[in-house]
Amino acid sequence: GAGVSQSPRYKVAKRGQDVALRCDPISGHVSLFWYQQALGQGPEFLTYFQNEAQLDKSGLPSDRFFAERPEGSVSTLKIQRTQQEDSAVYLCASSSAAGTGSYEQYFGPGTRLTVT
Amino acid sequence: AQSVTQLGSHVSVSEGALVLLRCNYSSSVPPYLFWYVQYPNQGLQLLLKYTTGATLVKGINGFEAEFKKSETSFHLTKPSAHMSDAAEYFCAVSDRGTGGFKTIFGAGTRLFVKA
Repeated sequence: GAGVSQSPRYKVAKRGQDVALRCDPISGHVSLFWYQQALGQGPEFLTYFQNEAQLDKSGLPSDRFFAERPEGSVSTLKIQRTQQEDSAVYLCASSSAAGTGSYEQYFGPGTRLTVT
Repeated sequence: AQSVTQLGSHVSVSEGALVLLRCNYSSSVPPYLFWYVQYPNQGLQLLLKYTTGATLVKGINGFEAEFKKSETSFHLTKPSAHMSDAAEYFCAVSDRGTGGFKTIFGAGTRLFVKA
C-alpha cells in the first residue's frame, strides 16, 4: 500500500507569511508525529497525535506553530508569520501502535520549507 | 530525559571494509533503541530496533547492532560496505513524553563509501 505522503515537497515563503504543510499517513495508522529537521541535524520532535487527539505538543517551538488532525487521518502543520529560523525540513511519521515506544515509525519524504 | 550521542558526524570507509557507526544513549529506564537510514531527499527508513530480549539485533541490508547496557551503547555495524550504503544514519531512543512515546534522534552520521 501507499506510504506516508507529504505536500508540498518544497515551499518557499516570504518572512511573515503563513504556511500549511499536509501529511497523509498510512491508512489505519493510529499515531502521527511531526518532526523538524534543520540542515545537518537529526529530526527534532514537534508534536504527537493519537487518532484526532493531540497528546503531546511539547516540541512546538512557539505559539506560531499549530497542528491538527481533525478526523484522525490527515494532519496539517501550520506556521504563522514565518521567520527565517523556521527554514527546515518538516517530517511526518505514522505508526500503527499507540501508547508504546517500541513500534516502527514510517516517515514521509518531508517538506522543505525555505523562508526568505 | 533521554538523549542520544552519535560519535562522528562523518565516517568514510572503502567498499568491502567494515562499517562501524557509534551511538551512545542516556536513559533512566530500559530503552527502546533504533537505527534509521536516510537517503537524499527521502524520509527515514528503519534499519533495526532493540526492544527486549536478544541484545544482538539484525536488520535490513546486512546491518546489525548490539545493545550494551553497561556501556550505554548501541553501535551499528556491517561487515562489508557497499556503495549503496552511502547515506545518513540516525540512532534514536524512545522517550515517554507527556502523552505517549516520542523518539529522540541523534545528530546523524553521514557514511561515505569509497570505491
